[in-house]
Amino acid sequence: QQQVKQSPQSLIVQKGGISIINCAYENTAFDYFPWYQQFPGKGPALLIAIRPDVSEKKEGRFTISFNKSAKQFSLHIMDSQPGDSATYFCAATDSGGGADGLTFGKGTHLIIQP
Amino acid sequence: KAGVTQTPRYLIKTRGQQVTLSCSPISGHRSVSWYQQTPGQGLQFLFEYFSETQRNKGNFPGRFSGRQFSNSRSEMNVSTLELGDSALYLCASSLAATGGYTFGSGTRLTVV
Repeated sequence: QQQVKQSPQSLIVQKGGISIINCAYENTAFDYFPWYQQFPGKGPALLIAIRPDVSEKKEGRFTISFNKSAKQFSLHIMDSQPGDSATYFCAATDSGGGADGLTFGKGTHLIIQP
Repeated sequence: KAGVTQTPRYLIKTRGQQVTLSCSPISGHRSVSWYQQTPGQGLQFLFEYFSETQRNKGNFPGRFSGRQFSNSRSEMNVSTLELGDSALYLCASSLAATGGYTFGSGTRLTVV
């Protein structure tokens, strides 16, 4: 019930291309879905987050698409740049306190080739 | 404003010892949660504190404990260290434990 499944594990995209990372969850009580970006030696940094009352949220080159009925959400990085090379984690939680903190996906190692 | 500060950044301990890690949240944030990050298991939730009360606890043995002080600073303690406790321990703070968690850079613990 608590699992968040993330794919792919690794992804190579050409500079200027679109990077797409997908996540699926099981717990219908989840109501907050953030994406984190992590560089080596650093903690995860909040990139963008969405709540299930909207189907899409865009911030700059980053877009979350959310499908409540399919219990899936995805991150799209438009015009991918070498500086976007990092590990990306999706996560989910029940902000009402019913879940045990953030439940994270296993991460996607993204490489943007120049 | 200052971010989440974790000390120390690196730590090497021997099996059987105990260790205390510290976390100072963003000013005004009352929720502090702790996570363990390993290559094999990924990011796993340890516990969360809000206004000095433990709100949730993850699936970790009782050797892992924590507390939060009145100024919202938090500490986590691991007793009787095992080799498998080697990990990056991350602290995250939030204004109201409803989202928007900001992580620190973590403490890299190595147990030898």
